[in-house]
Amino acid sequence: DADVTQTPRNRITKTGKRIMLECSQTKGHDRMYWYRQDPGLGLRLIYYSFDVKDINKGEISDGYSVSRQAQAKFSLSLESAIPNQTALYFCATSDPPGQPEQFFGPGTRLTVL
Amino acid sequence: GESVGLHLPTLSVQEGDNSIINCAYSNSASDYFIWYKQESGKGPQFIIDIRSNMDKRQGQRVTVLLNKTVKHLSLQIAATQPGDSAVYFCAEKGTGFQKLVFGTGTRLLVSP
Repeated sequence: DADVTQTPRNRITKTGKRIMLECSQTKGHDRMYWYRQDPGLGLRLIYYSFDVKDINKGEISDGYSVSRQAQAKFSLSLESAIPNQTALYFCATSDPPGQPEQFFGPGTRLTVL
Repeated sequence: GESVGLHLPTLSVQEGDNSIINCAYSNSASDYFIWYKQESGKGPQFIIDIRSNMDKRQGQRVTVLLNKTVKHLSLQIAATQPGDSAVYFCAEKGTGFQKLVFGTGTRLLVSP
């Protein structure tokens, strides 16, 4: 079974709709991240969380919000989706303090029409 | 600011050849570097890492070289196989929290 899962895997929506992407992990890691991947731009950090009570903005947080409902769950919301939010979205986890390696989920392909 | 770049967007090799994927970074304070492999339809997968106090680290068929003088990182894959075909990303971590800065990726194509 996958350690980091994401739902849905694919989503097509319309401009202005509210969308939630969910991430769950069974690794027992405290730190969770949301990234966006666009062709030619690599992975960019949207939000990250070090524990259930901690939420931090990444480099491209505008238009997004997150919720850390439990250690194992970290959801990403687009309150009013726009076409330039069409991208691949990845959730990741890591296990402090000595291991910076991040473990990634399979990704969600989001298309905003 | 921090930036991580790759020299070649696509690298084509023959099966059995050795592959070298290069990466330049700009943050001299980065203390940790990772190479990830991303296959089509999947999330990035850890390959190998290296800390800034090392010059070389070897794994199974892979070697990472770090040249801090010129801020250059490379991934060498020995006896490249078709299953190695993927996009490879380097990432660096600065001091402090575990934020990773990713490069844009190099696509490795392995022909049989």
